[in-house]
Amino acid sequence: LAKTTQPISMDSYEGQEVNITCSHNNIATNDYITWYQQFPSQGPRFIIQGYKTKVTNEVASLFIPADRKSSTLSLPRVSLSDTAVYYCLVGDRSNAGKSTFGDGTTLTVKP
Amino acid sequence: DAGVIQSPRHEVTEMGQEVTLRCKPISGHDYLFWYRQTMMRGLELLIYFNNNVPIDDSGMPEDRFSAKMPNASFSTLKIQPSEPRDSAVYFCASRPTMSGGGDTQYFGPGTRLTVL
Repeated sequence: LAKTTQPISMDSYEGQEVNITCSHNNIATNDYITWYQQFPSQGPRFIIQGYKTKVTNEVASLFIPADRKSSTLSLPRVSLSDTAVYYCLVGDRSNAGKSTFGDGTTLTVKP
Repeated sequence: DAGVIQSPRHEVTEMGQEVTLRCKPISGHDYLFWYRQTMMRGLELLIYFNNNVPIDDSGMPEDRFSAKMPNASFSTLKIQPSEPRDSAVYFCASRPTMSGGGDTQYFGPGTRLTVL
């Protein structure tokens, strides 16, 4: 199963765009890329999922290059409430539960 | 939908006592996962069920841990006897069969367990 690598922490300021990149060099053909957000004392929350190119929803955008060996979660105009841990997972639904969460990226948004 | 429901939200017990954590998945979801989260080990998958059947329990740390899913709307994770090193936040998550292409899971609020 594909292993992911992402920065341990990032700092930003309110109103800035934040890009968190995840590396997954051995991603399989059927794998999708899924990002979760976790606030303190809460369970992880699904943010966005994609297979290739670009996906956008009301929360974030996900950019996936043609080789799919990495992906970038983009959070537009962050606010203090976006301070959380962000996890990148790679897998497909036939391998339920096999995608490990890793350490995630702790994003701290400052005023 | 109310989302994944877990109870209790907090549990404090003494070493050696039996602890039972409960989970109600989202209606219509046929996968259910139990996770444990600690600062040292992060988020670990303990066991997951598909259509109420345990599929993979390789993450269950010891025989002291057991999980059941008697029906599609209820699951329990039991620790007997409990030990201080079991202190953690335990999450339950559920997933529908058709969740896009990936393994998209919906998590409950967690149960914070403290074993004294």
